Amino acid sequence: DAKTTQPPSMDCAEGRAANLPCNHSTISGNEYVYWYRQIHSQGPQYIIHGLKNNETNEMASLIITEDRKSSTLILPHATLRDTAVYYCIVRVALGGKLIFGQGTELSVKP
Amino acid sequence: DVKVTQSSRYLVKRTGEKVFLECVQDMDHENMFWYRQDPGLGLRLIYFSYDVKMKEKGDIPEGYSVSREKKERFSLILESASTNQTSMYLCASSDGVWNSPLHFGNGTRLTVT
Repeated sequence: DAKTTQPPSMDCAEGRAANLPCNHSTISGNEYVYWYRQIHSQGPQYIIHGLKNNETNEMASLIITEDRKSSTLILPHATLRDTAVYYCIVRVALGGKLIFGQGTELSVKP
Repeated sequence: DVKVTQSSRYLVKRTGEKVFLECVQDMDHENMFWYRQDPGLGLRLIYFSYDVKMKEKGDIPEGYSVSREKKERFSLILESASTNQTSMYLCASSDGVWNSPLHFGNGTRLTVT
């Protein structure tokens, strides 16, 4: 199973872009990268996913390097409500399982 | 929006009791999952199901069983609850396309005393 590595914590100023990195050097060619976040006492919330092209939706942008060994989640204008643990996940191709790592605790400060 | 509803937010049970955790999704999703979340261990997959009456073991199925009699409902059963099953339990669902995202409920915090 492909594993991911994320920094345990990051800070970001309110209104600035938050850039959350993730390494997934053992990713296979048909495995997608997913990002979720979890606010305290709630279930994980889906943010975005991609295979090899950059993706953008109403919540965030996902930048995947050309060799697919790393990616960056970008929250363009972080707010206090974006304070959460962010998980970068590589999905196992068979079985549909998501294997969660420890995530990055993002603190958005005023 | 996808809604995944877990029947209880908090639950307290005694050791040895049989415990049922219920999960319902309203998006006609084929796939349903049960995870548990513990500090320092992250989310770990217990069981999942691709269709009615079908189930597959996840990474930590011991001490648990599941039931999926209807497409929208996936139940997690603790046959004889133990204190080491005190945890946050999270249900999720996704549609049949294998790379579709999972959508999670808000969890059931189970305490076994």
